[in-house]
Amino acid sequence: DAGVIQSPRHEVTEMGQEVTLRCKPISGHDYLFWYRQTMMRGLELLIYFNNNVPIDDSGMPEDRFSAKMPNASFSTLKIQPSEPRDSAVYFCASRKGGGPGIIDEQYFGPGTRLTVT
Amino acid sequence: AQKITQTQPGMFVQEKEAVTLDCTYDTSDPSYGLFWYKQPSSGEMIFLIYQGSYDQQNATEGRYSLNFQKARKSANLVISASQLGDSAMYFCAMREGTGNNRKLIWGLGTSLAVNP
Repeated sequence: DAGVIQSPRHEVTEMGQEVTLRCKPISGHDYLFWYRQTMMRGLELLIYFNNNVPIDDSGMPEDRFSAKMPNASFSTLKIQPSEPRDSAVYFCASRKGGGPGIIDEQYFGPGTRLTVT
Repeated sequence: AQKITQTQPGMFVQEKEAVTLDCTYDTSDPSYGLFWYKQPSSGEMIFLIYQGSYDQQNATEGRYSLNFQKARKSANLVISASQLGDSAMYFCAMREGTGNNRKLIWGLGTSLAVNP
């Protein structure tokens, strides 16, 4: 069974360019999370979806960031325009819905390492 | 204020010895869950172990166990018989919220180095 798939694995772009990160969650998972990881700030939750609907986007840094989930098997995180301070590793994670007796651990993709010059 | 605190930025352990990684948490929610993840140098995040707030016994998973002290709000990870492959970053996380609004709050991590 395939895990969470992210593309691209590495992205180098110039300041001002648009960047689109892609994620395919595990089939059957109801929740999808986008995280950003940096040395200074650790792992930050940007936004998450339940059944393709955004539930909490309070972690999205500013209007330059947007995320969509058009269907259960695909999500994008877009940065426009990109800035050097956006350089980080971006993770996508997914999980099943929780409930009594269910351990709702998140399964992470391999991440996208973004460098903005 | 930090909701998840990992006070040890870095730890060293000798191969085959046991090591404890500290995690304290802060919540007023009676229902919560605690997770530990491992992040090796390759970058992927790997789920290790889970403890629910109502679980009566400490969680165990192979060489991993969780020393859950609810009154002290601590959930320390114990790795027994350390192996070289255990060298990695370890993150403690707490699940908050109910229903659809359930997300993880993450600590800053502890870097573990296992010496041969």
